[in-house]
Amino acid sequence: GAVVSQHPSWVICKSGTSVKIECRSLDFQATTMFWYRQFPKQSLMLMATSNEGSKATYEQGVEKDKFLINHASLTLSTLTVTSAHPEDSSFYICSAPGRGHSGANVLTFGAGSRLTVL
Amino acid sequence: QQPVQSPQAVILREGEDAVINCSSSKALYSVHWYRQKHGEAPVFLMILLKGGEQKGHEKISASFNEKKQQSSLYLTASQLSYSGTYFCLFGNEKLTFGTGTRLTIIP
Repeated sequence: GAVVSQHPSWVICKSGTSVKIECRSLDFQATTMFWYRQFPKQSLMLMATSNEGSKATYEQGVEKDKFLINHASLTLSTLTVTSAHPEDSSFYICSAPGRGHSGANVLTFGAGSRLTVL
Repeated sequence: QQPVQSPQAVILREGEDAVINCSSSKALYSVHWYRQKHGEAPVFLMILLKGGEQKGHEKISASFNEKKQQSSLYLTASQLSYSGTYFCLFGNEKLTFGTGTRLTIIP
């Protein structure tokens, strides 16, 4: 089945530094990738949708200058948290839509990246 | 707007049944159900595409009432492995996760 590889699985950084998270679709082409953020004991909140070859679409309230998204190829999307602060500490997960057995689009998730900003 | 799930949390003894409900204020085209273990990514359980459709896998099944904009997930004879947080995801113009239901199964 479809696999999305996400790296790193965890990262600890100092306040003010930038962190890049990568998501790769391993055996299929992902023209679209969804980026979610999840705080402890909360649901996944969609941050932005990256599209190969065009600008990402950000959800309301998400700072596009802080969370830089690049969809460099049909198999790679990256999220860069710039000038990270402790309040950016969270679990970041990417997902790509793909065809399930029923023929409908289902989401395949990366393993997630836990970011801790000191 | 985020779909609302109920209950928020439930504790069951192994072998008991549970129902998780999910409702939306917007028109729905499909419903997905996912289960997430602590610290892991969500895992796809099933998708329902048509109103009134019911699907099942082993002892987990779901229904979708398109008119009421609701879906329910049924877990029967729960097993310890069913523990986790369950999320519905409604496919409309956006794929939006529900508020989540934390299920704990105790021996």
